[in-house]
Amino acid sequence: NAGVTQTPKFRILKIGQSMTLQCAQDMNHNYMYWYRQDPGMGLKLIYYSVGAGITDKGEVPNGYNVSRSTTEDFPLRLELAAPSQTSVYFCASSWPQGEAFFGQGTRLTVV
Amino acid sequence: GENVEQHPSTLSVQEGDSAVIKCTYSDSASNYFPWYKQELGKRPQLIIDIRSNVGEKKDQRIAVTLNKTAKHFSLHITETQPEDSAVYFCAAEGGKETSGSRLTFGEGTQLTVNP
Repeated sequence: NAGVTQTPKFRILKIGQSMTLQCAQDMNHNYMYWYRQDPGMGLKLIYYSVGAGITDKGEVPNGYNVSRSTTEDFPLRLELAAPSQTSVYFCASSWPQGEAFFGQGTRLTVV
Repeated sequence: GENVEQHPSTLSVQEGDSAVIKCTYSDSASNYFPWYKQELGKRPQLIIDIRSNVGEKKDQRIAVTLNKTAKHFSLHITETQPEDSAVYFCAAEGGKETSGSRLTFGEGTQLTVNP
């Protein structure tokens, strides 16, 4: 049972480049989330999904996009990377009112 | 949407003492309140949670209390040990109609247990 798998673990992007952070879960969870965590700071919600085909904005959605075509996958797209997007990104999944399981995180640096 | 405030941001205690972290939330429809521990460089992991039909829950040295009227909940760690040193996050899952059922985190508390 893999849980929540995020790829890649590390990435360096140049300003203006784009990339997709992958997230997959094998627990059949309805809910999936993307958070970013800046150094020494809390978890800010970027986007979330309560089921396949349904996504909604969190607190800090600007510069990001998501899709949820299947229950298992919830990729996060960064368009036109900016230094302000340097952060650690966590994907998580859960049942409603259940434990959220986090992926290992993606450390992204934009230079 | 839901707003969660957490205090204090840093907490230093001596080994064996108790530690208390407090959180308030804004959405009265919220009904699920988990606590996560994040060790340095690792992912957050659930340590305890409480639902709105329960006022208190205990698991060995860790307990959580919930006051729905006042919209606040607290984490209590007794007999602290150095391995309890970490960042602790509270969270609230908002009501479906009011906050879209999303899980919102507090800003975190850096707990340091001094030997």
